[in-house]
Amino acid sequence: DIQMTQSPSTLAASVGDRVTITCRASQSISNWFAWYQQKPGKAPKLLIYKASSLESGVPSRFSGSGSGTEFTLTISSLQPDDFATYYCQQYQSIPLTFGGGTKVEIK
Amino acid sequence: QVQLVESGGGVVQPGRSLRLSCTASGFIFSNYGMHWVRQAPGKGLEWVAVIWYDGSDTHYADSVKGRFTISRDNSKNTLFLLMNSLRAEDTGVYYCASSDGYTSGWNIHWGQGTLVTVSS
Repeated sequence: DIQMTQSPSTLAASVGDRVTITCRASQSISNWFAWYQQKPGKAPKLLIYKASSLESGVPSRFSGSGSGTEFTLTISSLQPDDFATYYCQQYQSIPLTFGGGTKVEIK
Repeated sequence: QVQLVESGGGVVQPGRSLRLSCTASGFIFSNYGMHWVRQAPGKGLEWVAVIWYDGSDTHYADSVKGRFTISRDNSKNTLFLLMNSLRAEDTGVYYCASSDGYTSGWNIHWGQGTLVTVSS
């Protein structure tokens, strides 16, 4: 199985900050990679697919980059609505696997 | 708009069975692979199973293989998860989610989840 390692597990930031979350795959997954946002008590929401493609309706302050084994989610200017937990996912092979999550908290 | 609505969760004793359902609307259900993803209380996301658009292929996480069965009824726009021999570690919120295409892939749309609690 492909292991996905996210860092950091928790991140404290202020509104307006630039935030970067990293995810590393245990083997190359090309760009078969997605990012999700989850708020407490809610279902995950797709943000980014194919490593860098922005899902329709997702604000442009979110961006994804990377390929192979290293991937990054960047929020260019953190907004109050962005405080949530973020998960990475590889879908290059079954079983699909998620990273452990990064909780973005208010500083 | 796309809607996925799960049902069937509840409290069940260890070793017993439960069947979850997910009713889809707002898209052509029969054209998309479908997944179940679960989340234990306070924990991260765990992929459980996937079924191809026409039901011709299924795949499972090792943790549920041989105990859970994913199926679908395209005539009723409904996805199922039959869970047998339930264990305490199966407790969590179960989400159904659509694929981006006919088979597996990223999860575009998600249901609100249904809570399964395995406890004596």
